[in-house]
Amino acid sequence: AQKVTQAQTEISVVEKEDVTLDCVYETRDTTYYLFWYKQPPSGELVFLIRRNSFDEQNEISGRYSWNFQKSTSSFNFTITASQVVDSAVYFCALRGSNDYKLSFGAGTTVTVRA
Amino acid sequence: DVKVTQSSRYLVKRTGEKVFLECVQDMDHENMFWYRQDPGLGLRLIYFSYDVKMKEKGDIPEGYSVSREKKERFSLILESASTNQTSMYLCASSFVGSPWMSQYFGPGTRLLVL
Repeated sequence: AQKVTQAQTEISVVEKEDVTLDCVYETRDTTYYLFWYKQPPSGELVFLIRRNSFDEQNEISGRYSWNFQKSTSSFNFTITASQVVDSAVYFCALRGSNDYKLSFGAGTTVTVRA
Repeated sequence: DVKVTQSSRYLVKRTGEKVFLECVQDMDHENMFWYRQDPGLGLRLIYFSYDVKMKEKGDIPEGYSVSREKKERFSLILESASTNQTSMYLCASSFVGSPWMSQYFGPGTRLLVL
């Protein structure tokens, strides 16, 4: 069974601060896929980034970056220089290679104040 | 762009009513999913379908059924709505041909059962 834990329930920052969201996962699969989704107040989940278990290279995409460490089963996500439009609920998700479905964390609500 | 649409954004029903939630995707995806989202619990899978007329139970199927008569359409049915089914319902689809099988979500339906 897959399990995803997002220990942070809520994070509040002032605009231009960096925000790091923690995600820890459990899986017995050797091949798996990790995702971060954003859910703005409108409700629709929007796919942000993804990583597979074979690629631990950390990357930056615009203001987003992620830190994937298999040794600690963590897939943390950072928003640099946050903006008010980043206010949303962020979900970390995991799919095992033999699964169709995603297992989601409970979500972290990010509030960016002007 | 992938487009997943859901029949209603908001729905109010009475206890005992039969409720239909419909989801349509326009990208010829094989997989379709129904989740419910509750505060602090993240997204939990109700049912998914990997082909027309094929379905599998997710983590919380009790009180729900589904129908997939056409590839693009996946319906969630609450046979006799109860107040504990008040929730946000999200539909998603994914493409089997990609190893990622990234899921694309609809805007969600907020259901209130009185």
